[in-house]
Amino acid sequence: DQQVKQNSPSLSVQEGRISILNCDYTNSMFDYFLWYKKYPAEGPTFLISISSIKDKNEDGRFTVFLNKSAKHLSLHIVPSQPGDSAVYFCAASARSPGTGGGADGLTFGKGTHLIIQP
Amino acid sequence: GAGVSQSPSNKVTEKGKDVELRCDPISGHTALYWYRQSLGQGLEFLIYFQGNSAPDKSGLPSDRFSAERTGGSVSTLTIQRTQQEDSAVYLCASSSGLSPLHFGNGTRLTVT
Repeated sequence: DQQVKQNSPSLSVQEGRISILNCDYTNSMFDYFLWYKKYPAEGPTFLISISSIKDKNEDGRFTVFLNKSAKHLSLHIVPSQPGDSAVYFCAASARSPGTGGGADGLTFGKGTHLIIQP
Repeated sequence: GAGVSQSPSNKVTEKGKDVELRCDPISGHTALYWYRQSLGQGLEFLIYFQGNSAPDKSGLPSDRFSAERTGGSVSTLTIQRTQQEDSAVYLCASSSGLSPLHFGNGTRLTVT
């Protein structure tokens, strides 16, 4: 049973436009959410996070929106750049510390492959 | 180096053999995690170490898997009697507690 779902395996966006990556979750105990970015043959790198007490968090070109009632979050990248082409993973935690998930770890989605076209 | 170091980067083994994967976390990071990523899947949590405390092993896929962390630093993940379904990328991550996880580049395990 997938508790974190990324329903789009891939997404193609033109350079300069907005990229929107979506993530849905089913476990209402999740209270901390993270996005990771992964290039081939490298480990995931942390991008941005949000606590359930907020509905938006912004860091430069990256903004994460959280809709708790819909159990949905999204990552917006604007403007999209060629270096943004990567696999993006949504992750969630129900345990402290939220950044790592503690003894339960983080629950990851399957990822969305973002392709930025010139 | 400054990052999480994992070795080997690639490992090909025959079904039934034992393998040992190593993780060297960032110096000073007390928390250490093991994940695996099978083809086309997300990252699957395996085990968590906090300092020198005994870990909760309930996330390990089977009793063929074991992990230890010596002196609160280096960790090894051991898979005994490997099976083809063990083929995956095994990722290690560390953090200082409140910081986000820093992942290594992983060990790609192929069981033939």
